[in-house]
Amino acid sequence: SQTIHQWPATLVQPVGSPLSLECTVEGTSNPNLYWYRQAAGRGLQLLFYSVGIGQISSEVPQNLSASRPQDRQFILSSKKLLLSDSGFYLCAWSYRVGNQPQHFGDGTRLSIL
Amino acid sequence: RKEVEQDPGPFNVPEGATVAFNCTYSNSASQSFFWYRQDCRKEPKLLMSVYSSGNEDGRFTAQLNRASQYISLLIRDSKLSDSATYLCVVNSVYSSASKIIFGSGTRLSIRP
Repeated sequence: SQTIHQWPATLVQPVGSPLSLECTVEGTSNPNLYWYRQAAGRGLQLLFYSVGIGQISSEVPQNLSASRPQDRQFILSSKKLLLSDSGFYLCAWSYRVGNQPQHFGDGTRLSIL
Repeated sequence: RKEVEQDPGPFNVPEGATVAFNCTYSNSASQSFFWYRQDCRKEPKLLMSVYSSGNEDGRFTAQLNRASQYISLLIRDSKLSDSATYLCVVNSVYSSASKIIFGSGTRLSIRP
């Protein structure tokens, strides 16, 4: 069966510090991968998605970036965090073929001080 | 108009009641539809896909109305454990990752 791992679960960072969140998927090959952010009491905002190694599409302009160095690894980064980057970050995967549902990792709760 | 709209609720119903909520979408070419549940401070979890002919999974029934562009979720014999936020998801373009749209969710609270 497929599993998705995301870490860390919680993170407290000062403004201006760098960020690296990692997500890995097991049990499938060539998945679509996604990064979402959810502000408190709000809906999911798609940040990045990837259909293959090195292929990243960005949905919203921001100071975040994403990379996919391996087929089942997806990384969310920032060089300098802003207060507005606080939120609940979720990684998800889906099968590439057809209109398949997404499956989410446990999420990372990021607080910027 | 938002691409996907849900009544935010909260819906507050007694245990054992039947509750239903809708989700409307704006793109008539939408291809696939799903319902997720999200517990407080947790990740969304797939509840069920929504098929054109309607589908049922235990106490949960999902329906699609293409003419009026909405999907619905009906929960029968509600349990305390059904308390959560229910998100509808619409995929508007075949195999396009960028057109998977999440609604903001409907909060459901089941009281004893």
